[in-house]
Amino acid sequence: DTGVSQNPRHKITKRGQNVTFRCDPISEHNRLYWYRQTLGQGPEFLTYFQNEAQLEKSRLLSDRFSAERPKGSFSTLEIQRTEQGDSAMYLCAIRRSETDTQYFGPGTRLTVL
Amino acid sequence: LAKTTQPISMDSYEGQEVNITCSHNNIATNDYITWYQQFPSQGPRFIIQGYKTKVTNEVASLFIPADRKSSTLSLPRVSLSDTAVYYCLVGPAYSGAGSYQLTFGKGTKLSVIP
Repeated sequence: DTGVSQNPRHKITKRGQNVTFRCDPISEHNRLYWYRQTLGQGPEFLTYFQNEAQLEKSRLLSDRFSAERPKGSFSTLEIQRTEQGDSAMYLCAIRRSETDTQYFGPGTRLTVL
Repeated sequence: LAKTTQPISMDSYEGQEVNITCSHNNIATNDYITWYQQFPSQGPRFIIQGYKTKVTNEVASLFIPADRKSSTLSLPRVSLSDTAVYYCLVGPAYSGAGSYQLTFGKGTKLSVIP
C-alpha cells in the first residue's frame, strides 16, 4: 500500500467531454505530483503541488489540462474537451519529505472514444 | 537530466538471477541512480537507489562502478511475480530542493518464464 488512492480507476468518455480525476493521499503529504503514461512509455511528468500551491505546471500538455489541490490534501486533474490522444493512464504520486522518494497511486485509465 | 539507455526487454527462467544494466554516460556529480518496478495497471514502485559502489535491500542489489556511467540492477532468484517493467532513472538527490520530478524512459520489460 503506497498510501495513495485514485478514483475512478477506469474512465471511458466520448471525445469532447470533460473528465475529472481525483487523487487522495491517505495522510497529509505536502508534495503531490501528476504524471501521464501512454502505452509502451514510461510516466511523463505533468505538474507538482507543494501544499495547495501549484509550483510547476509548464509541463501540462495543453490549456485543456488543469489541476487543483484546494486544501493541500486531495488533488484533482481535469481535462476539458477530451481528444482521443488523451487516452492514457494518469498517475498521482506523493513525496513524504525532501528526503524521500515518490510513491505512486494505482492510476486512472482514461479511454476517449 | 542524464539520459539513460537500458534493454527494451529480457527473458529469464524462474529461479535465475537477473541483471539489468543501464547506461548513463552523462551522469552528473550530484545525480543518484534509482530503479522503479511497474506491474500492469499499477503505478511504479520504488525498488532501490544508490550513488556509488553497491547497495542491497530485501528486494534487489544495485551495482555502480567507480565511473558511475552505468549501473546494474540484480534480482536474485526471480519468480513469475517479478514479471514487470523496470525503469532506471538518473537525477538529483531526492533530498534536494525543487520539484524533484521523475524522468522515466521506456524501461526494460522483464518476462519470467516457468
